[in-house]
Amino acid sequence: NAGVMQNPRHLVRRRGQEARLRCSPMKGHSHVYWYRQLPEEGLKFMVYLQKENIIDESGMPKERFSAEFPKEGPSILRIQQVVRGDSAAYFCASSPQAGGAWNEQFFGPGTRLTVL
Amino acid sequence: SQQGEEDPQALSIQEGENATMNCSYKTSINNLQWYRQNSGRGLVHLILIRSNEREKHSGRLRVTLDTSKKSSSLLITASRAADTASYFCATDSSNTGKLIFGQGTTLQVKP
Repeated sequence: NAGVMQNPRHLVRRRGQEARLRCSPMKGHSHVYWYRQLPEEGLKFMVYLQKENIIDESGMPKERFSAEFPKEGPSILRIQQVVRGDSAAYFCASSPQAGGAWNEQFFGPGTRLTVL
Repeated sequence: SQQGEEDPQALSIQEGENATMNCSYKTSINNLQWYRQNSGRGLVHLILIRSNEREKHSGRLRVTLDTSKKSSSLLITASRAADTASYFCATDSSNTGKLIFGQGTTLQVKP
């Protein structure tokens, strides 16, 4: 059973370009979470999705950022018109269920975005 | 502000010594989890402790939870150089499972 897959592992973009980050959850997991980690900091929650639904996007910047988790295929975190401050590691995690005492999340290796 | 706050921010010990890291949080929780992150890598889940549990063990790891003080500690016994990493606590307080992470403790174990 493969773990959470993320690609690309490293992404370089120039200011103003778009960044697309992909996450394939573990087999059987229908809950996906995206987190962002700035250098020397902890992870910050961005968005929680189930198949075809955004459940909680309270951590997502209001502009330029969007996320989806279609019925088929990976979850996508999309950042439009990137700025230098978007440079960070973006981690995806998946879980077989949401919330409750047993919610263990499995993390992917992350995508490190560098904006030039 | 961060739900979880950890101390110390950095810890340097000799191989064989024990390492203790603490985490405090603000709101009631469903569970608290500890993760390890090696430099530039992803997160590895270490242990999950539920709100009605007080202590859990996993190998050389021992986690305690005091809900009255809203705090947790992670003890690594007989540390090894390979334990060098950043350690994060994360709390789950919602019904959606989103985790709130602390700033982390950077542990260096010298051989």
